[in-house]
Amino acid sequence: GENVEQHPSTLSVQEGDSAVIKCTYSDSASNYFPWYKQELGKGPQLIIDIRSNVGEKKDQRIAVTLNKTAKHFSLHITETQPEDSAVYFCAPSKFSGGYNKLIFGAGTRLAVHP
Amino acid sequence: DADVTQTPRNRITKTGKRIMLECSQTKGHDRMYWYRQDPGLGLRLIYYSFDVKDINKGEISDGYSVSRQAQAKFSLSLESAIPNQTALYFCATAQGTSGELFFGEGSRLTVL
Repeated sequence: GENVEQHPSTLSVQEGDSAVIKCTYSDSASNYFPWYKQELGKGPQLIIDIRSNVGEKKDQRIAVTLNKTAKHFSLHITETQPEDSAVYFCAPSKFSGGYNKLIFGAGTRLAVHP
Repeated sequence: DADVTQTPRNRITKTGKRIMLECSQTKGHDRMYWYRQDPGLGLRLIYYSFDVKDINKGEISDGYSVSRQAQAKFSLSLESAIPNQTALYFCATAQGTSGELFFGEGSRLTVL
């Protein structure tokens, strides 16, 4: 089955710095690459996603880059703010049997210090 | 009001008890999911349903059962709870093959 690894597991940055989280996956058939943000006491929420025909996507301060050859994709957060503090999950997936099967990474806890 | 509502939000029970976690959604989505979250393990899929007549096992279905009572309702049951089922459980919905999951706020279950 799909093997998904996220690095680092924890990340601490100063407000205004950039943060990068990397996700590696094993299934070369994966074709959808989302990142979810989970704030304390809440369910995960999609923040950005990319499909396999695109190498990079940006939405204000966040971006996702994809390297299909190396089978990894990364979340980039620039000008970090305290409200970016949360746990971030990658969930590479492919469509199988009419179902989009997401396999979640173990998560990265990001702490942004004022 | 939340689009995906889970009840109860917290539950403490004893080994051997039957427990039901309920999920309802107002998003009109056809697909519903139950995930389990444990520290350091991310989210693991328990069961998923495409519609009321379609139920599928996920990665970790042993010890769990589900019921899709209506398009908007999907319940998860633990027939005889055991301590290693102590976890945070999430219900999620999706529409078709869009990919995006919409999660509820979770149900924390403790089995003593």
